Order: sequence, then C-alpha cells, then structure tokens
Amino acid sequence: GAVVSQHPSWVICKSGTSVKIECRSLDFQATTMFWYRQFPKQSLMLMATSNEGSKATYEQGVEKDKFLINHASLTLSTLTVTSAHPEDSSFYICSASSWSGGSNQPQHFGDGTRLSIL
Amino acid sequence: LAKTTQPISMDSYEGQEVNITCSHNNIATNDYITWYQQFPSQGPRFIIQGYKTKVTNEVASLFIPADRKSSTLSLPRVSLSDTAVYYCLVGDPPGGGNKLTFGTGTQLKVEL
Repeated sequence: GAVVSQHPSWVICKSGTSVKIECRSLDFQATTMFWYRQFPKQSLMLMATSNEGSKATYEQGVEKDKFLINHASLTLSTLTVTSAHPEDSSFYICSASSWSGGSNQPQHFGDGTRLSIL
Repeated sequence: LAKTTQPISMDSYEGQEVNITCSHNNIATNDYITWYQQFPSQGPRFIIQGYKTKVTNEVASLFIPADRKSSTLSLPRVSLSDTAVYYCLVGDPPGGGNKLTFGTGTQLKVEL
C-alpha cells in the first residue's frame, strides 16, 4: 500500500519550455502533497506544500509564479516549471500523506523526475 | 522544526549489524522520529517511525532513549542492497500537513 506514482520519470527540453510533472497517490487519498527538489549530492529541499482544493504554500525563496502547483483532487497534484532554464535542471520529487486511523500517516514519496534543461 | 545531526558516512560489510545514530537535542514534546532510505535517482522510502523506547518492524529497529535527544536506527545483517543514504527526521506529528526537513543524511556503504 501507500504507492505514489510520479510522471514523467525523466524529461529533457529546451530552455524556455514549460514542463508539467504529475504526482498521483494510487491507493490512498492524499490530503496533503509536497514537492521537493534535490541537486546532485545534496539533500532534499522542500519547495511547497499543497492541500487538495487550496493554494499551495511555498517555502521561502521558491518563486510561486515559476513553479505552479495544482492539487485538484485527493489523488493528483501537478508541478509545472514555467519557462524553464538550465538552472532549473534538478531532480524533482513529490510526496503524499493522508489522515488515517485518527492520526497523520508518514509521507510516501514518488520516484522523482529528472529534469534537464538544455 | 528540530535540527538533526548524523554521521556523513558509514562503511560496513555484508552480514553485519549497522547502527546509525542521530542527534536531535532540541526535539519537542510532540515530535516523532522518522527514518527514510534513499537510493540514487529514487525518492526516499519510509523505513520506520517512533516516539519513544523501541520500535521494530520487518526491516529495522529504532531505539529511542528516555530523554529522546537521540535515536539509533539498527539494520540487522545488512546486504549490498542496503547501500543508500539514510535520513533521520524529526517532526510534529509525522506526515499529514506537517513539513519534513531533510538533513544531510548518512551515506551507508556495504561491501562484501
């Protein structure tokens, strides 16, 4: 159980292109989804937190107009990197968690999306 | 969010028990301790979570002393496939709408 699917797993595109990444919770309803970015040899950095049906909360230093997050349903959140540039190249990872059995459940992560901007 | 400190790296051999200790001196009363494992180019995988004393599941044990200022992840009889980065996180409460702050993690290397 608690499977989170992320798509695509890998994308290469030209500078200036917008890229959409999907994150789905396959066997549970995710009340909250998180988006992280990870650069090589570094730890995960939280970008934003999104709750179904409401606007995402962005971490300090993350441009909300650059990284558009939509969490339209309890099983799907999307991250769109708008007008991507080479410095946006990174490993993007989503996670999802739910409220079950009277308590918050641990976050479960997707397998990430490797984004390379040429 | 409580800050955590872990060793940057550890080396072990197949079949040995590995203990990774994490310090979290300013852990709050409501904070839980959670450990994740991450392989290269994959998302972190939940290993174990606890609040106090000892928690055991099919893959690991988590030891938490009474003062809760540290915790130890114990991996019994590691294999080559356990080579990964292990993250200790402290948060109140686990998952849900509460953020996780990842530290540097511990790179475990298991050799033959």
